[in-house]
Amino acid sequence: EVQLLESGGGLIQPGGSLRLSCTASGFIFSNFAMAWVRQAPGKGLEWVSIISGNSNRAFYADSVKGRFTISRDNSKNTLLLQMDSLRVEDTAVYYCAKDVQQWLIDPYYFDYWGLGTLVTVSS
Amino acid sequence: QSVLTQPPSVSGAPGQRVTISCTGSDSNIGAGYNVHWYQHLPGAAPKLLIYDNKNRPSGVPDRFSGSKSGTSASLAITGLQAEDEADYYCQSYDSSLRAWVFGGGTKLTVL
Repeated sequence: EVQLLESGGGLIQPGGSLRLSCTASGFIFSNFAMAWVRQAPGKGLEWVSIISGNSNRAFYADSVKGRFTISRDNSKNTLLLQMDSLRVEDTAVYYCAKDVQQWLIDPYYFDYWGLGTLVTVSS
Repeated sequence: QSVLTQPPSVSGAPGQRVTISCTGSDSNIGAGYNVHWYQHLPGAAPKLLIYDNKNRPSGVPDRFSGSKSGTSASLAITGLQAEDEADYYCQSYDSSLRAWVFGGGTKLTVL
């Protein structure tokens, strides 16, 4: 059974940094690209970032480019999101999602998601 | 402000059929990128409902179906059940933005 468990959320002041983690199980982690998707309070889903199975390719939404860094540790089945220069508008539940492909040659979809971790950016 | 446009809400009585539209443009759906649909219940993980425009993952009832034409796609739900009450999102890829994009979401209410 595929399981994705996010952690690392919390309350942080504007301008601060936070690192989110997603621990995966139930599949060969290195064989699949992984993504972060967020949902601000009362809003819809917003794609944040995605990384290929071997970390060779990574893409970011314009709203976080230059501030967020996605990475993964395949030896620990863990996906990471380093969030720097946080803004109030980054407040959201952050979901980890598994892609159906490995290399990110073409865009596909997300077949499994975690329950999310809440990040609140406020002074 | 979403790249893909969905109606904010739809409703229907138990047993009825509802459809949710997802309208894009020539840089996403119209460019040939596939459309996928997710069901999201409050406090739960989003669930893949339809992939590649019309395909259902194992375990998704055949009451759910998807279609795509031109720059738009649709999700149809027949035989509405109380458990279908949730938020539904379409997703595709936009070549101009170079981004995976979602619709704004549609809240389905079962009357």
